[in-house]
Amino acid sequence: AQRVTQPEKLLSVFKGAPVELKCNYSYSGSPELFWYVQYSRQRLQLLLRHISRESIKGFTADLNKGETSFHLKKPFAQEEDSAMYYCALSIQGAQKLVFGQGTRLTINP
Amino acid sequence: NAGVMQNPRHLVRRRGQEARLRCSPMKGHSHVYWYRQLPEEGLKFMVYLQKENIIDESGMPKERFSAEFPKEGPSILRIQQVVRGDSAAYFCASSRGAAANEKLFFGSGTQLSVL
Repeated sequence: AQRVTQPEKLLSVFKGAPVELKCNYSYSGSPELFWYVQYSRQRLQLLLRHISRESIKGFTADLNKGETSFHLKKPFAQEEDSAMYYCALSIQGAQKLVFGQGTRLTINP
Repeated sequence: NAGVMQNPRHLVRRRGQEARLRCSPMKGHSHVYWYRQLPEEGLKFMVYLQKENIIDESGMPKERFSAEFPKEGPSILRIQQVVRGDSAAYFCASSRGAAANEKLFFGSGTQLSVL
C-alpha cells in the first residue's frame, strides 16, 4: 500500500540554521512527490515537486529512490518559514495524493 | 480569481443530522477533489469528480457519504446521519486538468464538528 511517513511532528530550529524535514515513502510504482506548505491562517499550497527539480524560497528536495526518501532542506532558515509542511505522493497522476501527517516547523529568532 | 471557495468555514451538527459542504473550484477548473483531515493526521483522499461525473470515489466511506459536481453550481459533499467520528476538516481542491503536471489548488476547508 502507498504510504508517506513524516517522522517528526514538530521541528524547531533557530533562524539562520539549516533545516531538514524528513519524508519517506512506500510505493511500488514510479513516484511523483510533492511538498505542500500551510502558513498560519492560509491555505495549503504547493511548495515544490520533485519532477521540476526547482528551488522555491530557498528550499530544495531530492528524490532518493534507494532510500525512498524526499527530504526537504534549506541551508539557512528564516522566521517566515514557520509553517506546517506536508509531504505528498501522487498516484495515478495528479488525481490522488497520499499525504504524510505533516511536520510543524518553528523557526526561533 | 478568488481561488477555491469552500463554505461554510465551520459547520456544527448534532448526531443524526445531515451535513452539506460546498466547494466552488477556481475559474476555468473542471476537476474537483475532496480530502478529509482527522485530528493529528494528514489529509486523506476521498473523491475525485469532473463536471457531472465521479471519476474516483475509492476514498469515500461506503455509507452515508456522497458527492456531486453538477453542470451548474458548486461541488457538494453530503454526509447523512452524521456521527462524532465524522468531525474533521474537509478540504476541496481543484485543477484545470488531470495530467500529472497539473497543479492542485486548495480551499480553506470546512471544519465539521458533530456534537
